[in-house]
Amino acid sequence: NAGVTQTPKFRVLKTGQSMTLLCAQDMNHEYMYWYRQDPGMGLRLIHYSVGEGTTAKGEVPDGYNVSRLKKQNFLLGLESAAPSQTSVYFCASRTGESTNEKLFFGSGTQLSVL
Amino acid sequence: AQSVAQPEDQVNVAEGNPLTVKCTYSVSGNPYLFWYVQYPNRGLQFLLKYITGDNLVKGSYGFEAEFNKSQTSFHLKKPSALVSDSALYFCAVRDMTGTYKYIFGTGTRLKVLA
Repeated sequence: NAGVTQTPKFRVLKTGQSMTLLCAQDMNHEYMYWYRQDPGMGLRLIHYSVGEGTTAKGEVPDGYNVSRLKKQNFLLGLESAAPSQTSVYFCASRTGESTNEKLFFGSGTQLSVL
Repeated sequence: AQSVAQPEDQVNVAEGNPLTVKCTYSVSGNPYLFWYVQYPNRGLQFLLKYITGDNLVKGSYGFEAEFNKSQTSFHLKKPSALVSDSALYFCAVRDMTGTYKYIFGTGTRLKVLA
């Protein structure tokens, strides 16, 4: 099983450019999450989804948009990138069953905005 | 507001010695608590969780954690540290207000010295 796959792994953007990060999971998980990881700040939740067609805001949603058109995919978009969005982005997913509650993480996307 | 605190940025321990990585939490209701580990350039991996039952929870790679309700703590422990345990450790709590969000601490870097 591939688990949670994130693409791309690295990206450099100029201020004002747009891009989409793709997260794909092959475990039929209901819930999916996007986090950003910054030194000294741990992981902060950007957006999340509790099912196909639904999304919700996390702690730091400004400047990002998401879509969950298919259950297996969760897209994170940056419409106009800013240097403050330089970070490592992680996608995670989990099953809807509470008995096996744990997050599965992708390997991350390192994004630099110049 | 629900929150997690990891008071130590870094913990150093000699190989073969016991280790403790501290975590305290603030949540409404009964907490769901987790520990994850991150190796360099990798995503986070699940170590263990506490949902209910025995206050001492055993997890992967010989790690265990002790839930203490009166001290609102969930410290990660291992009786004998290995150099290969060196990594970044995150404590997390599930938001119990029905949103299925997970809140992470800022992380503690564990260095096991040979």
